[in-house]
Amino acid sequence: AQTVTQSQPEMSVQEAETVTLSCTYDTSESDYYLFWYKQPPSRQMILVIRQEAYKQQNATENRFSVNFQKAAKSFSLKISDSQLGDAAMYFCAYRSVTGANSKLTFGKGITLSVRP
Amino acid sequence: DTEVTQTPKHLVMGMTNKKSLKCEQHMGHRAMYWYKQKAKKPPELMFVYSYEKLSINESVPSRFSPECPNSSLLNLHLHALQPEDSALYLCATAASGYQGTGELFFGEGSRLTVL
Repeated sequence: AQTVTQSQPEMSVQEAETVTLSCTYDTSESDYYLFWYKQPPSRQMILVIRQEAYKQQNATENRFSVNFQKAAKSFSLKISDSQLGDAAMYFCAYRSVTGANSKLTFGKGITLSVRP
Repeated sequence: DTEVTQTPKHLVMGMTNKKSLKCEQHMGHRAMYWYKQKAKKPPELMFVYSYEKLSINESVPSRFSPECPNSSLLNLHLHALQPEDSALYLCATAASGYQGTGELFFGEGSRLTVL
């Protein structure tokens, strides 16, 4: 079974600074998806960024980028130029490619606060 | 605009009540999910439907009864719930297998309080 580990329960960053959220995972599969989801207090789970395991290039979405180390099974999220609206709970998640109904496996999440 | 719509947004019910949570999507996705989420915790998978058939039941108590009447709708029927069932219930959809881009699309959730 796949597992996702987020070992930091909370982090804080100064507005306009950069912060990195850590995530490791364990799997025996060679092809899979990794995600970072954001859940603000308004509660809807929003996709931040996606990485396909077969792609070596790290995904980027505007201020958000990942450092994907497949051999180390590490998938960290870097948020540049942090904004107050980035304050939320962030979940790292894994999903198998195979299987018509494969589930999303979440890490425990990290609460990010942004100081003005 | 959210493409996965959940109703109601808030629900308060007594332990003897029967109620339903509804989820609707028009994304053409054939995998639909129910998750339960407690405060400050990750979502926990309850059920998965694939092509309108129940494919995963994560040992959920029978007081929760899912239903998928068609490819756009997913219901969660609630009966004789306990106060510890109070939580945010999230519906999600996804394209199947190698189709699409792999992510699950979530609704805004239904906040359930059991008195």
